[in-house]
Amino acid sequence: GNSVTQMEGPVTLSEEAFLTINCTYTATGYPSLFWYVQYPGEGLQLLLKATKADDKGSNKGFEATYRKETTSFHLEKGSVQVSDSAVYFCALSDQNTDKLIFGTGTRLQVFP
Amino acid sequence: DTAVSQTPKYLVTQMGNDKSIKCEQNLGHDTMYWYKQDSKKFLKIMFSYNNKELIINETVPNRFSPKSPDKAHLNLHINSLELGDSAVYFCASSRDRANQPQHFGDGTRLSIL
Repeated sequence: GNSVTQMEGPVTLSEEAFLTINCTYTATGYPSLFWYVQYPGEGLQLLLKATKADDKGSNKGFEATYRKETTSFHLEKGSVQVSDSAVYFCALSDQNTDKLIFGTGTRLQVFP
Repeated sequence: DTAVSQTPKYLVTQMGNDKSIKCEQNLGHDTMYWYKQDSKKFLKIMFSYNNKELIINETVPNRFSPKSPDKAHLNLHINSLELGDSAVYFCASSRDRANQPQHFGDGTRLSIL
């Protein structure tokens, strides 16, 4: 079945460092791909999405490119801030079951 | 202005009790969901309704019963609560099916004593 694999956290960075959180997927067909962010004590919020191969989603300085050849959707940000500390979830839409399949989440901790 | 609102935010109760969590969305979405998030942040879908019709029903104990009185509301009733039910439960909604972004509530933290 369809699945999403994320790098395990926590990822610990200093402010202004470069961020990469790896995400790879297994899917049949052409799913849409998403990154969601969960701040402490809150629900998940959509961060960005891509709906087809080579699409780049971007928001708040974060970017991710839908790479069909490597089945990846890695999240990047050039310069992280303390306020980016949160749990990040990669997800894909399963067109057969109408479900969002989530990765296990990656905790990011940014220190001043 | 809250798009997806859940009540209560915290629920502390004893084993064996019955409790309900309510969810409402004011986005005009057709599809609503219930997720369970465990202590390791793993997120698992439980149920999904589209226009008041059940479309996803995962392998969830039948002590859990969702009810959708209209497409803006999806409530979750849990009978005979067990220790393993302790988790954060999230309601979400989307315009249509899974390839649309989902909007999440802030969660209900359920603690079973």
